[in-house]
Amino acid sequence: DTEVTQTPKHLVMGMTNKKSLKCEQHMGHRAMYWYKQKAKKPPELMFVYSYEKLSINESVPSRFSPECPNSSLLNLHLHALQPEDSALYLCASSPRGQGIRGYTFGSGTRLTVV
Amino acid sequence: SQKIEQNSEALNIQEGKTATLTCNYTNYSPAYLQWYRQDPGRGPVFLLLIRENEKEKRKERLKVTFDTTLKQSLFHITASQPADSATYLCALVNTNAGKSTFGDGTTLTVKP
Repeated sequence: DTEVTQTPKHLVMGMTNKKSLKCEQHMGHRAMYWYKQKAKKPPELMFVYSYEKLSINESVPSRFSPECPNSSLLNLHLHALQPEDSALYLCASSPRGQGIRGYTFGSGTRLTVV
Repeated sequence: SQKIEQNSEALNIQEGKTATLTCNYTNYSPAYLQWYRQDPGRGPVFLLLIRENEKEKRKERLKVTFDTTLKQSLFHITASQPADSATYLCALVNTNAGKSTFGDGTTLTVKP
């Protein structure tokens, strides 16, 4: 299995809702990442988990809360989001931290905050 | 902070020609540079990695060069096809910080 699977593919949520994005990989990768991508912009790093520990938080607002239950799973919990948080949220993994050999990305969750 | 510039937002070429995309960077000397392809609404797909001590890397119709003096990488697609139409992103690997930074990307359109 050489894929990163993200669910759901699309999500519409109100500003008072609580929702979660899920990411799964079975490649034995030990680093997992959350990126945010706006239209016609590059992916922007949000969080990095290395060996199931949070190693990088790029000063992301607390309304985004990551969780890594085990080495195969990564969640992003969302609460009280703003319309400007609407974007494509990408999960990625790499064999180890740093991602030197490249990242394997999922297809993303298209999030719309109304 | 490190800055990455990809030569143009869009590049249009005729099928069969060679597409050349440019990635320039400042304020950093990466040991590794990566290139990705991204199709609309999908995640980026890793294509090639080049190390600072490598001048050139090839994979099928793809060729990447890395000039650490000019702080530039060139990405070539030879014998381009309409199926090569996509956005191509370069990424600098900052091994000290444990993360990569992506350029804005160049959207390539190959016309039949």
